[in-house]
Amino acid sequence: AQKITQTQPGMFVQEKEAVTLDCTYDTSDQSYGLFWYKQPSSGEMIFLIYQGSYDEQNATEGRYSLNFQKARKSANLVISASQLGDSAMYFCAMRDANTGNQFYFGTGTSLTVIP
Amino acid sequence: DTEVTQTPKHLVMGMTNKKSLKCEQHMGHRAMYWYKQKAKKPPELMFVYSYEKLSINESVPSRFSPECPNSSLLNLHLHALQPEDSALYLCASSLPVQGGPMDSPLHFGNGTRLTVT
Repeated sequence: AQKITQTQPGMFVQEKEAVTLDCTYDTSDQSYGLFWYKQPSSGEMIFLIYQGSYDEQNATEGRYSLNFQKARKSANLVISASQLGDSAMYFCAMRDANTGNQFYFGTGTSLTVIP
Repeated sequence: DTEVTQTPKHLVMGMTNKKSLKCEQHMGHRAMYWYKQKAKKPPELMFVYSYEKLSINESVPSRFSPECPNSSLLNLHLHALQPEDSALYLCASSLPVQGGPMDSPLHFGNGTRLTVT
């Protein structure tokens, strides 16, 4: 069964606008962590933001924030004030207590920022 | 600068060659990973080492042989590869989870772009 689902293969956003990238997850564990990564065309995978299953506040890191809705099992990434350099693939990932060291990745969303 | 260093950045090899990919980290992470990634696809897990012991092998063909000589180094030995093995190979490290918190992310190297001719 798919542990992480990203339903948006491609997204476009106007420069300086906000954009939401969707991620839903599936786990029966109470303890798990959710991660977002950015991968520009150059190939490096850049860690952006983390949300823990016990965190009561939504995570924020600069222009990145996570809209965490535990009951819906969703962890959407919000990028505010989009910049041209935000154009990249974005992957949602999860690790849980059952599988520990294994990370599950979604299929990714390709974001294009339009000037 | 990335804290996980991979060499070489690019590699072209024939199907009869033997080559090795190298990965080094000095973050004290005791879980190290090899991923294979095709263009516009998510990384596919190949191997996980935890405390220098192979803990996960995702049914990878034997032409890929991992090695973890110590807590900082991870190698991937390649032999008799096929053209379909051409991909970006990513090394990553993390704090291993032993019933603890889940907040240690994967730290990736910049990858090796492998082309098999």
